[in-house]
Amino acid sequence: GAVVSQHPSWVICKSGTSVKIECRSLDFQATTMFWYRQFPKQSLMLMATSNEGSKATYEQGVEKDKFLINHASLTLSTLTVTSAHPEDSSFYICSAPRDRGAPYEQYFGPGTRLTVT
Amino acid sequence: AQSVSQHNHHVILSEAASLELGCNYSYGGTVNLFWYVQYPGQHLQLLLKYFSGDPLVKGIKGFEAEFIKSKFSFNLRKPSVQWSDTAEYFCAVNVGGYSTLTFGKGTMLLVSP
Repeated sequence: GAVVSQHPSWVICKSGTSVKIECRSLDFQATTMFWYRQFPKQSLMLMATSNEGSKATYEQGVEKDKFLINHASLTLSTLTVTSAHPEDSSFYICSAPRDRGAPYEQYFGPGTRLTVT
Repeated sequence: AQSVSQHNHHVILSEAASLELGCNYSYGGTVNLFWYVQYPGQHLQLLLKYFSGDPLVKGIKGFEAEFIKSKFSFNLRKPSVQWSDTAEYFCAVNVGGYSTLTFGKGTMLLVSP
């Protein structure tokens, strides 16, 4: 099946610093990628839709200035958590659909665990 | 907005027991339905999906799910679970063919050997 990778798999940073998380589609091109956040024992919450060559679409309640998304190429989207605070600690997961005709069939990355101290 | 409810947060079963995990969604229009599994330390994997046609769909590893439109349900079943089925299971809904998925809160299944 399609492969989506994330880097890093886990990161610890100090409060006030910024952290960049990469999401790559390894064997297909993705004009759209999705970023989710998962709190312990809770569901995945869609944060934003990353669109190649254009601005990301953010879900209600997600601060676009805090969670910067860049979709620079057809295989790479990045999520930057700016001025991170302990409440940003979470598991961040990206996904991408391989088939443009079936955008809801998404392949998920392994996730990145962010801990802000 | 649509929502997805998974009735059980934790389920504990012995090997060979039968499994049924409930999933209900709240949307009256056309939906695409999914079950994903997340094994410990691994990423989400698609178990099965329903788009149209036969409401009983079969997925990988012996899992199946039945779409009952009148009940807005898409319950996951397996006749005989194995220890290796220990994982977290998520039900997800896509509305009208758009790209976004709405997930339930997940059910943690623990199968004891």
